[in-house]
Amino acid sequence: DSGVTQTPKHLITATGQRVTLRCSPRSGDLSVYWYQQSLDQGLQFLIHYYNGEERAKGNILERFSAQQFPDLHSELNLSSLELGDSALYFCASSVDPRGTGDQPQHFGDGTRLSIL
Amino acid sequence: DAKTTQPNSMESNEEEPVHLPCNHSTISGTDYIHWYRQLPSQGPEYVIHGLTSNVNNRMASLAIAEDRKSSTLILHRATLRDAAVYYCILSSGSARQLTFGSGTQLTVLP
Repeated sequence: DSGVTQTPKHLITATGQRVTLRCSPRSGDLSVYWYQQSLDQGLQFLIHYYNGEERAKGNILERFSAQQFPDLHSELNLSSLELGDSALYFCASSVDPRGTGDQPQHFGDGTRLSIL
Repeated sequence: DAKTTQPNSMESNEEEPVHLPCNHSTISGTDYIHWYRQLPSQGPEYVIHGLTSNVNNRMASLAIAEDRKSSTLILHRATLRDAAVYYCILSSGSARQLTFGSGTQLTVLP
């Protein structure tokens, strides 16, 4: 058990819809990262938040957005969903107190999103 | 971002040591070498990381070449539960997100 909790585990919806994925980081971890894993693209970084502030963006579509709340949990919002958005979405957290890149990231079990 | 190169797949027999290689010839001085693994239907799991010196923990050992252009993850006694995709990743303060490659699929034979 990594200590990172993601909900829901599975989500099935239709094209054009909007969904929200939730992540609770490990206790004490200030950084939250979101990753997308699809069959053809592998694991790709989407976005990083540190203590409520956005720190870095990766290959995140404009239809996607995220935020980190004062209690440090994070939500990833996906809108105008397309068939190609079907994937596993992982959240990871780390302590990262000095921003030196030497802290491990701890991953949740992911949310499997299926677009019909 | 500095890139890593790993073999696509490797096989090992159960209870034997496994040496998983990784090449990172363009590594910079501030890049940490991280290893993660992903078991089927699970999120990636942190294994070990290091900067210059060899590292040991309860899961594995990390051997880093003197010039840091390559490293080897060592599983001392492979078990069936070690069958997974192993990723070698470079991480630095300027880019704290992890850039995953295709990794090495480790198969452990009973």
